[in-house]
Amino acid sequence: DAKTTQPPSMDCAEGRAANLPCNHSTISGNEYVYWYRQIHSQGPQYIIHGLKNNETNEMASLIITEDRKSSTLILPHATLRDTAVYYCIVNQMGNQFYFGTGTSLTVIP
Amino acid sequence: DAGITQSPRHKVTETGTPVTLRCHQTENHRYMYWYRQDPGHGLRLIHYSYGVKDTDKGEVSDGYSVSRSKTEDFLLTLESATSSQTSVYFCAISESIGGLETQYFGPGTRLLVL
Repeated sequence: DAKTTQPPSMDCAEGRAANLPCNHSTISGNEYVYWYRQIHSQGPQYIIHGLKNNETNEMASLIITEDRKSSTLILPHATLRDTAVYYCIVNQMGNQFYFGTGTSLTVIP
Repeated sequence: DAGITQSPRHKVTETGTPVTLRCHQTENHRYMYWYRQDPGHGLRLIHYSYGVKDTDKGEVSDGYSVSRSKTEDFLLTLESATSSQTSVYFCAISESIGGLETQYFGPGTRLLVL
């Protein structure tokens, strides 16, 4: 049970910001939002996680709405190497991770 | 990459034969996981381990067994491989970042059962 809803695919122009949405309307108060990505044929790669505050690291920014029912992963300047499947996961510490089918992001030259 | 290796990276086998996949980690992580990935299904958890000799079933455990006799190795065994077990298998470890468990994945093993 993935508990998240993501669009199946998106395109983004190289150099522009990629904004990947995720709905998690049934998230509970102690569940975190995680983002992973998977580049073709490789293992999933951790990107970022958050609880209720916006987060930023060297890879991306995570914006979580005030009601926590949705979030957006932002890649500020997308490159061709960012083409991948992006997974949004909600998880309570100690529980299993459920990966859905994610969003396939294509960065276009 | 959290020091995770998987072997073999590719394997072709025949229906009915036993197959063992190995996951090896070098950083003494307590939790280890086996997932399979198939088109249209994302990643699905097969089994996981929370310590030496401590394992539990995941979402799709039928037809698979696991063993963990030492911290660094987590083995996944298909006792009698079937074509439905053709898949890409990923091992993962769980690492605590700021008190929160985050999973890191190995490079994967591609298994083809003929």
